Amino acid sequence: QVQLQESGPGLVKPSQTLSLTCTVSGGSISSGDYYWSWIRQPPGKGLDWIGYIYYSGSTSYNPSLKSRVTMAVDTSKNQFSLKLNSVTAADTAVYYCASHPDSSVYVFDYWGQGALVTVSS
Amino acid sequence: DIQMTQSPSSLSASVGDRVTITCQASQDINNYLNWYQQKPGKAPKLLIYAASNLQTGVPSRFSGSGSGTDFTFTISSLQPGDIATYYCQHYDNFPPTFGQGTKVEIK
Repeated sequence: QVQLQESGPGLVKPSQTLSLTCTVSGGSISSGDYYWSWIRQPPGKGLDWIGYIYYSGSTSYNPSLKSRVTMAVDTSKNQFSLKLNSVTAADTAVYYCASHPDSSVYVFDYWGQGALVTVSS
Repeated sequence: DIQMTQSPSSLSASVGDRVTITCQASQDINNYLNWYQQKPGKAPKLLIYAASNLQTGVPSRFSGSGSGTDFTFTISSLQPGDIATYYCQHYDNFPPTFGQGTKVEIK
């Protein structure tokens, strides 16, 4: 069974870059069986899909965040990462990594536990 | 983006009650609709995919139906462990979007 675990700083200053890593266990990113997404949830609010990366490095980002998002994959470490630049308080959220079986089949079957990132000076 | 509207936003029901949540899409999404359960402080959990397919390991008291723009999620007999917020999510086109959630409480 695939397991995901987010890690990274819990506090980021406004205008700086938010960086998170998701470590995958119980399966290999290089297998190509899954696509790897980031989803966020502001406190007390709903869920927003940020984007995905595939083991090959191909990406797709939500147009609402595309100008500020970069995702990368490190198959040697079985990890993928998220960078969100020029953050503001509106980017304060729990960030989840999740898997889905195809580039257009957004059925999020495995999720990490989530990482709270607060944007504050 | 396709807007997903859930109703009600919250509900209170007794143990053993049948609970129904609806999700309406702003345009036809065929059957490309998932339902998730999120317990407080936890990640969402996939319950139903493609409108009516039960994810492996999910109890059969959970079910989903619908196609096009109107969908229904049902808990046939509410249990104390079902206290959570439930979200619908479409994947008919890009980008996928979620409903605002329905909070289910025990009366």
